[in-house]
Amino acid sequence: EDQVTQSPEALRLQEGESSSLNCSYTVSGLRGLFWYRQDPGKGPEFLFTLYSAGEEKEKERLKATLTKKESFLHITAPKPEDSATYLCAVQVIISSGSARQLTFGSGTQLTVLP
Amino acid sequence: DAGITQSPRHKVTETGTPVTLRCHQTENHRYMYWYRQDPGHGLRLIHYSYGVKDTDKGEVSDGYSVSRSKTEDFLLTLESATSSQTSVYFCAISDATRETQYFGPGTRLLVL
Repeated sequence: EDQVTQSPEALRLQEGESSSLNCSYTVSGLRGLFWYRQDPGKGPEFLFTLYSAGEEKEKERLKATLTKKESFLHITAPKPEDSATYLCAVQVIISSGSARQLTFGSGTQLTVLP
Repeated sequence: DAGITQSPRHKVTETGTPVTLRCHQTENHRYMYWYRQDPGHGLRLIHYSYGVKDTDKGEVSDGYSVSRSKTEDFLLTLESATSSQTSVYFCAISDATRETQYFGPGTRLLVL
């Protein structure tokens, strides 16, 4: 069974205090690993896709990395506006390739204090 | 939200009543998905569509049905709502590459 586990569940940082969020996964037929940001009361907002071990993607203060078993979302010098829930999802093929399902972790709720 | 709207945005209903949620897209994407989001469970796939009148079940499809009569609209129906279906429902779309899924703003449903 495909599993995605995110840690920690919640993280509080001071503004400027860098840290990392973890996403570990157990899946067969991984097609991609996705990171989303979700603000309260809104839908997930796409951040990154990673396809192979060793790949890295960056956007502003965020950098995502991928190994064969886990992904990290590194946040460098965070600001209060980075506060959100960060969701990790793995994409697998379903139903003879007619669509691709995202299996999500439960998310990490990040709070950045000024 | 990538040209995706959901209606209604909030709904309160009673156990046993039928409920239909609508997802509308302006991107002309082929694939559409319905997810539910619950604390501690993350987002879980209910049903998806890979074309007009082409739909299939996801991992939590019991008690739900869907229909897609036009490319732009994907309807989720709860035939007889139960309290366990209280949740936030998200629609997502993806294009023919089936890569990135883009999500709508969500519908918050409360079943009393």
